[in-house]
Amino acid sequence: GDSVTQMEGPVTLSEEAFLTINCTYTATGYPSLFWYVQYPGEGLQLLLKATKADDKGSNKGFEATYRKETTSFHLEKGSVQVSDSAVYFCALSDLDTGRRALTFGSGTRLQVQP
Amino acid sequence: DSGVTQTPKHLITATGQRVTLRCSPRSGDLSVYWYQQSLDQGLQFLIQYYNGEERAKGNILERFSAQQFPDLHSELNLSSLELGDSALYFCASSAKTGDFTGELFFGEGSRLTVL
Repeated sequence: GDSVTQMEGPVTLSEEAFLTINCTYTATGYPSLFWYVQYPGEGLQLLLKATKADDKGSNKGFEATYRKETTSFHLEKGSVQVSDSAVYFCALSDLDTGRRALTFGSGTRLQVQP
Repeated sequence: DSGVTQTPKHLITATGQRVTLRCSPRSGDLSVYWYQQSLDQGLQFLIQYYNGEERAKGNILERFSAQQFPDLHSELNLSSLELGDSALYFCASSAKTGDFTGELFFGEGSRLTVL
């Protein structure tokens, strides 16, 4: 079945450092890819998405590019802030099926220190 | 605020007991999803309902069941509880229209502790 693999956390960075969180996927079809973020005490919320190969999703300074050849969707940000401290989840969904439920990775905790 | 409401926020119970978690989706959303988040299993998809009917099933135990009512709220029933059922249970909703974009709107979760 479909699966998502994320790098282990926690990732600890200083403010203004460059962030990369790796994500790779396995899927039989042509999934759409997502990054969700979970701030402390809250539910998950969509950060960005890409629906086809070579698409770049971006939001709030975060970016991720859908790489079909490497089955990857790595999350990047050029300069992190303390307010970016959260858990980040990579996910996929095959929008062509009626199932429509997202398959999530295990999550990567980011801690940004001032 | 995502617009998805879950109750209760916290619940402590004993092994062998039964609990019901409730979810009200965003106004107009027809799909409801239940996820279980635990430290060792991550975020696991349990079940999806669309307009009152079961649409997809994930890693849901036979001791667990769910339903979606005509007013679109949903309930997740957990019975014969075990220590390992302690987790954060999320409800999410989607599909304000017929086009699904992949965006799920999550509630804040119900934290279940089984002692």
